[in-house]
Amino acid sequence: EPVMTQSPVTLSVSPGERVTLSCRASQSVGSKLAWYQQKPGQAPRLLIYGAFIRATGIPARFSGSGSGTDFTLTISSLQSEDSAVYYCQQYNDWPPVAPFGPGTKVDF
Amino acid sequence: QVQLQQWGAGLLKPSETLSLTCAVYNGSFSGFFWTWIRQPPGKGLEWIGEVDHTGSTNYNPSLKSRVIISIDTSRSHFSLNLSSVIAADTAVYYCARGIIRGGGNRWGQGTLVTVSS
Repeated sequence: EPVMTQSPVTLSVSPGERVTLSCRASQSVGSKLAWYQQKPGQAPRLLIYGAFIRATGIPARFSGSGSGTDFTLTISSLQSEDSAVYYCQQYNDWPPVAPFGPGTKVDF
Repeated sequence: QVQLQQWGAGLLKPSETLSLTCAVYNGSFSGFFWTWIRQPPGKGLEWIGEVDHTGSTNYNPSLKSRVIISIDTSRSHFSLNLSSVIAADTAVYYCARGIIRGGGNRWGQGTLVTVSS
């Protein structure tokens, strides 16, 4: 099964910045890649699936790209409420032991 | 708007069985993956397993010997049973409705389950 890695581990940012988060799979997952946002004490929130499809209600400042083994989540202009941990998840190889990446913490 | 509400025991002793139920309000069961995910304190997300509206299941291979996920569409809920719990099973457990496998676009509120003697 693919091993999911994310970089960086932590990102210190300022409001209004453009931010790029990286997710890499050890083998191809095609376009079966999702991104989640999780704030402290809350359940994760689905942002992107199919590598680039925004989930219902997700602001346009969130965008996904990539295919195969390398994926990117871009936040075009950071808002204060975007401080969170972001996880990627593959759903190409199923059932998996570890479909989620370890996460990237975006901190102001 | 579909809502998920979960409940179950929050404190277990080693070797006991964890049982959680997730009620689904204002939603259809067909066409979705009904999923359980857990998150140990301060750590990342771990997929436990899923069930669809027919009762077909998939489980995390690392937990498969201890997990049963079931669904009762007539009563609008699905459930998780994890047997022979150990301290490492301590986590916040989430139920979710998935439009894709693995996670969800609708989540329960989460239940902290602590395993301690």
